[in-house]
Amino acid sequence: AQKITQTQPGMFVQEKEAVTLDCTYDTSDPSYGLFWYKQPSSGEMIFLIYQGSYDQQNATEGRYSLNFQKASISAIIVISASQLGDSAMYFCAMRPPIQGAQKLVFGQGTRLTINP
Amino acid sequence: DTAVSQTPKYLVTQMGNDKSIKCEQNLGHDTMYWYKQDSKKFLKIMFSYNNKELIINETVPNRFSPKSPDKAHLNLHINSLELGDSAVYFCASSQDLAAGGNTEAFFGQGTRLTVV
Repeated sequence: AQKITQTQPGMFVQEKEAVTLDCTYDTSDPSYGLFWYKQPSSGEMIFLIYQGSYDQQNATEGRYSLNFQKASISAIIVISASQLGDSAMYFCAMRPPIQGAQKLVFGQGTRLTINP
Repeated sequence: DTAVSQTPKYLVTQMGNDKSIKCEQNLGHDTMYWYKQDSKKFLKIMFSYNNKELIINETVPNRFSPKSPDKAHLNLHINSLELGDSAVYFCASSQDLAAGGNTEAFFGQGTRLTVV
């Protein structure tokens, strides 16, 4: 079974600084997809960025970028120039390989607080 | 237009009652899900449907019965509600995850169920 670990239960960052959130994945399968979601206090789940295990380059999406380390199966998300509106829960998730593909397995989340 | 809509947003009910949560998506996706988010914010898959067929049932008690009348709808009926069922329930949809690639899941707003 896949296991997703986010080691930072909470983080406090000063506005305009960059944020790095960790996520490691435990799987022996070579094919998988990695996702990051944001959940603000209003409760909705917002997709941020995706990385495929076979993608040659690290994913970027606006202020979000991934530092994907295939050997250690970690996908650190970097949020540049943080804003007060970035305060939220952040979840990483994995889409397992084909046999169990019809689900996303989530990490336990990191609560990010941006201070003014 | 809301991509994934679920109703109601809040549901307060007594132990032993039966309740339903409805979910509809207008994205043309083949796959729909129910996730449960507990008080510690942990998100766990409950059910996954692909083209109206049950694909995943993650050892959910049989008091929970999903029903998919068509690809655009996945409703969740819960019998004999218990205190431990209190949580936020999210409906989501995606293209077929087995196809690979960036198959992000789009989430509904969530239904906060409180059993008293």
